[in-house]
Formats: sequence, C-alpha cells, structure tokens
Amino acid sequence: NAGVTQTPKFRILKIGQSMTLQCTQDMNHNYMYWYRQDPGMGLKLIYYSVGAGITDKGEVPNGYNVSRSTTEDFPLRLELAAPSQTSVYFCASSYLDRTNQPQHFGDGTRLSIL
Amino acid sequence: EDQVTQSPEALRLQEGESSSLNCSYTVSGLRGLFWYRQDPGKGPEFLFTLYSAGEEKEKERLKATLTKKESFLHITAPKPEDSATYLCAVQVLTGRRALTFGSGTRLQVQP
Repeated sequence: NAGVTQTPKFRILKIGQSMTLQCTQDMNHNYMYWYRQDPGMGLKLIYYSVGAGITDKGEVPNGYNVSRSTTEDFPLRLELAAPSQTSVYFCASSYLDRTNQPQHFGDGTRLSIL
Repeated sequence: EDQVTQSPEALRLQEGESSSLNCSYTVSGLRGLFWYRQDPGKGPEFLFTLYSAGEEKEKERLKATLTKKESFLHITAPKPEDSATYLCAVQVLTGRRALTFGSGTRLQVQP
C-alpha cells in the first residue's frame, strides 16, 4: 500500500521559474492538504481540499495555486518562484467521517530557490 | 488564534533514561490533539490522537496524556531507535480539518 506519494523528492529552481509539486494518494481519502515546513518551525498549511473540485486557502497561500480534478491527485503549483519559498513541502490526506481520522503524510519535496 | 508550543526544543537522553515532552496549546475548541513522529528526511508518522482531558494512550515505550491546557508524551526506558523529532498538533472544532503544529522536540537517545 503506497499511501501518499510525492514527486519529486528534491528540486532546485531559479528565481522566477515555475514548477508543479505532485501528490497522489491511494487510500480513497476525501481530504487532502499541502503544508510547508521551514527549519525549526512547525508545519504551516498552504491549501487544502475537501473533495474533487473543491479547494480553499490555508495559512500561507500567497505564491501558490492548487487544483483537485480527481480524488487521488492534489498538485501544488509555484508561480514565479522566490527565495522565501525554499522549504520542505508535505502533502497529507485524511478521511472525513464522524471519527477523527488522522492525516497521513508523504515524505516531502525538498525545494531550494536560488 | 490557535497556538501550539512544544518544549524542550531538544532533549538528549541516555538509553533507559525516562523523560517527558510537553505540548501546551491554546485553541477556541479542541476537536483532537495529535502526536506524530518525524524521522530525518521523512514525513510525519501518526502516533496518537487524544480527544478529552484525562485521556491516555500507550504504544510500546510511549504514553500520551491530555489535560485542558497541555499534553505530555512520556517516554519510558527509551532506546536509540526512539531518536526522532516528535510533533504535536491540534485540530479545532470549527472550520477546516487542518492541523496546527508545534515546532517539535528533537529527541536523541544515546546508547
């Protein structure tokens, strides 16, 4: 069982370039999330989705865009990369029901903007 | 604003030396408090969910407890393989189901 898969694992971008971070899950989870983790800091929510076609902003959405065309996939788009976007990006998913299911995380994409 | 504060930032223990990690939280209404373990280069791995004050959960050498203002992760007789960063996160009653994380405690257990 693969769980949450993120690609690429590492990437170096130049200032002003764009890229898409990929995230896919095979657990049929309805909720998906993007977080970023800076050194010594907690994870901060960028965007989240409650189902295909529905997305909403989190704590730190500026400079990012998302889409959710299928249940499985939740890509994160960086437009005009800036050094402040150097971080580790984590995708997570969970199943929303009456119980409080935990979020399952991928192993992250380490992104450097130079 | 929901806030989560973890202490200490780093902790070094000898193998077999028990200790506790602290997670203090301020939220409008708590749906659940989560503990995760994160190894270097990996994503957070779920350990426990706690829902209400007085609740306790155990897994091997780890026990998590919850009060109305804080949670503790007790580590009994730790082993080197327990070395990791331990993250605490809260989920609030209203709005989105996203988590608000603390900055973590880096635990190193020396043989």
